[in-house]
Amino acid sequence: SQELEQSPQSLIVQEGKNLTINCTSSKTLYGLYWYKQKYGEGLIFLMMLQKGGEEKSHEKITAKLDEKKQQSSLHITASQPSHAGIYLCGAVLTNAGGTSYGKLTFGQGTILTVHP
Amino acid sequence: KAGVTQTPRYLIKTRGQQVTLSCSPISGHRSVSWYQQTPGQGLQFLFEYFSETQRNKGNFPGRFSGRQFSNSRSEMNVSTLELGDSALYLCASSNGGSGNTIYFGEGSWLTVV
Repeated sequence: SQELEQSPQSLIVQEGKNLTINCTSSKTLYGLYWYKQKYGEGLIFLMMLQKGGEEKSHEKITAKLDEKKQQSSLHITASQPSHAGIYLCGAVLTNAGGTSYGKLTFGQGTILTVHP
Repeated sequence: KAGVTQTPRYLIKTRGQQVTLSCSPISGHRSVSWYQQTPGQGLQFLFEYFSETQRNKGNFPGRFSGRQFSNSRSEMNVSTLELGDSALYLCASSNGGSGNTIYFGEGSWLTVV
């Protein structure tokens, strides 16, 4: 099974609706990153969370980290067509003396479609 | 501040050939990581270089190798290409420590025919 599970795998919403994407780890999280990707292009950094209970927001996107559940959620408020794309969570799952921070394990991604 | 630059963006190679991809990290970043993205396997970690030393390695065969130069630029090489090596190869750069933002390049699309 996957070390990092994202849900849902795909999401279709009407413009203006709120939505949430979840990312759950089977291992201890030492850092959790959220990225957005347009098909065939690079990853655009959204947010990075490290401490349990941490919450960050940028424009209409909010990410939270629940350390006890080893889970992060990404919430988009009042979705717009520009939010469409693939959302990926990536995590640092090992802490080998502080040398593992350049290695991310990714979930399988969530494909978001926003209808105008 | 320039972002992570990868070259070439697109390339087509024949089975059995080898390929070298290049990555220039953000100025000042010492860590460069490489990832392979395919529809079937998703994003998978290949290896990470930090200050010219390989610091982490994923589960890929020895045909996949890399190196990092003193200016932090990195190259990855795939020898004896197989059809299954067709993928988007992504490079990421960071300062390499806890809590550092990791930035990705636009990727290199490799097609093996």
